[in-house]
Amino acid sequence: GNSVTQMEGPVTLSEEAFLTINCTYTATGYPSLFWYVQYPGEGLQLLLKATKADDKGSNKGFEATYRKETTSFHLGKGSVQVSDSAVYFCALSDANTGNQFYFGTGTSLTVIP
Amino acid sequence: GAGVSQSPSNKVTEKGKDVELRCDPISGHTALYWYRQSLGQGLEFLIYFQGNSAPDKSGLPSDRFSAERTGGSVSTLTIQRTQQEDSAVYLCASSYDLAGSYGEQYFGPGTRLTVT
Repeated sequence: GNSVTQMEGPVTLSEEAFLTINCTYTATGYPSLFWYVQYPGEGLQLLLKATKADDKGSNKGFEATYRKETTSFHLGKGSVQVSDSAVYFCALSDANTGNQFYFGTGTSLTVIP
Repeated sequence: GAGVSQSPSNKVTEKGKDVELRCDPISGHTALYWYRQSLGQGLEFLIYFQGNSAPDKSGLPSDRFSAERTGGSVSTLTIQRTQQEDSAVYLCASSYDLAGSYGEQYFGPGTRLTVT
């Protein structure tokens, strides 16, 4: 079946530190991969996505590369800011299983000045 | 344009009562999803609609949960005889494309349900 496993939090970093949040997946077909972000008090919003192997999604300084060989989609940012404090969710969708999205459990990130 | 809206934003109910949660998707979005987010947990898929039909109801936790969608637009999630374990934030999302391979989901702000 399909599933997403992501790094457990919470993660606390100092401003300008390097961030990596690990995400690995299991899929029966050829999934698309997503990172969603939930800022405090707000709804989930798409951060970035990649629809095929070796694609790199990027947005707001965040990047993630779709690695089929390692079934991974790790999220990274070179220099985090206080405003990046949020919960990050890795997700996949697999056209072979319809439209269901599979979300990881979320990783809480707190960036301190 | 307007995003996904949900109502009410907060609902407190007594154990055993029925509740209805409403979702208004983005106009023109054909797919609609319901999720549940419990404190400290990830997103739990409940059900999705393709138009007015629900091909996948596998995520509904029990027969106390039901959902419908009318006119390919508004959806209502109904929980009968609520239990304390139903307390959670219920999220609705919609997407334009049916093919999950490129269909971004747009989320509403959620309804926080508290069962006392």
